Amino acid sequence: EAGVAQSPRYKIIEKRQSVAFWCNPISGHATLYWYQQILGQGPKLLIQFQNNGVVDDSQLPKDRFSAERLKGVDSTLKIQPAKLEDSAVYLCASSSGTSGEETQYFGPGTRLLVL
Amino acid sequence: AQKVTQAQTEISVVEKEDVTLDCVYETRDTTYYLFWYKQPPSGELVFLIRRNSFDEQNEISGRYSWNFQKSTSSFNFTITASQVVDSAVYFCALSNYNQGGKLIFGQGTELSVKP
Repeated sequence: EAGVAQSPRYKIIEKRQSVAFWCNPISGHATLYWYQQILGQGPKLLIQFQNNGVVDDSQLPKDRFSAERLKGVDSTLKIQPAKLEDSAVYLCASSSGTSGEETQYFGPGTRLLVL
Repeated sequence: AQKVTQAQTEISVVEKEDVTLDCVYETRDTTYYLFWYKQPPSGELVFLIRRNSFDEQNEISGRYSWNFQKSTSSFNFTITASQVVDSAVYFCALSNYNQGGKLIFGQGTELSVKP
């Protein structure tokens, strides 16, 4: 069974530029999560989708971050314009439900460096 | 408030030593789930174990074992006879029942196993 796919793996941009990340979850997983992991810290949830609807985006900086999951499968996370403090690893995860019991499986992440 | 604390930032051991990684959690919910993930240098978070709040039985999987104690709100992880391949950052995480499945991570413990 294929795992969670993410691209690109690495991205370097200058501040004020825009960037987009892509994620394809495990087949059949209805729930998709985007986490931000700053160096030396644990991942923090940015946004969660159940199928193509948003479940939780309370920690998403909506003035610069946006995300969509139009067909309820793959998802795109965008940052526009990027700031220096957005340098982090962006992890995508998927699970089969939202009760909290289901295990989340993570992709390899996208390492973003903002100069 | 929900919180996970991993007080040990870095641990260094010599191969074949046993090592315990500590995890303390806070939650007001009675139904919750605890997880451990491993993050090797490649960056991907690898699922190790999930426990629910009603199951305090300790678990052993090969060289790995987990000790869950509700009385002290702890979920500690022991690696017996450590190996160089165990070198990684280990994260403890918490999710609460029917709150969307969001994972709350600790800060992580970086384990270095030297030959």
